[in-house]
Amino acid sequence: GQSLEQPSEVTAVEGAIVQINCTYQTSGFYGLSWYQQHDGGAPTFLSYNALDGLEETGRFSSFLSRSDSYGYLLLQELQMKDSASYFCAVERNQGGKLIFGQGTELSVKP
Amino acid sequence: NAGVMQNPRHLVRRRGQEARLRCSPMKGHSHVYWYRQLPEEGLKFMVYLQKENIIDESGMPKERFSAEFPKEGPSILRIQQVVRGDSAAYFCASSPGGGEETEAFFGQGTRLTVV
Repeated sequence: GQSLEQPSEVTAVEGAIVQINCTYQTSGFYGLSWYQQHDGGAPTFLSYNALDGLEETGRFSSFLSRSDSYGYLLLQELQMKDSASYFCAVERNQGGKLIFGQGTELSVKP
Repeated sequence: NAGVMQNPRHLVRRRGQEARLRCSPMKGHSHVYWYRQLPEEGLKFMVYLQKENIIDESGMPKERFSAEFPKEGPSILRIQQVVRGDSAAYFCASSPGGGEETEAFFGQGTRLTVV
């Protein structure tokens, strides 16, 4: 079977750092993506890892360990507008479909 | 360059009617993916299409659901004889193809309500 596990919800305060973990079990793995979704709107791409290590894009970073089937999204200097759902997604083969996790609801408090 | 366009944004159908959801990919994109999202859940893959070809329909229910992406015009997801359980948000995503892209671009979704 295929499964992705991520926490259902996380709460943090403005200015803090938060890490959202994702573990996966899939038949085939090409890369791990992260998407943000506000209020059920269009998911928007945040980052992608195909190789082990850390990818940094501004306040957001994403990490992958292929040997551990594990990745995380790190959000720094949290802002209220970061309150949203965050999904990890596995790309099983190049250019193919994405298998999404259930999502993590992030609430940023003042 | 307009993004992925889906219409309608909201669709209400009575049980037994047909629902047709449209998706126009971003300009230059030849790959289209359809996903379904139930409240408080992640997106579930349904079908992956290229122009005039279904590449992967492993997530499509065997009955009542069909999808196409013709040479001209938008991709269509068609649900026949809708039931209450079909109520969900249906998202379309597109990518350029060619294998190098790492990002899928999503539309705003169509929220289907079956009454």
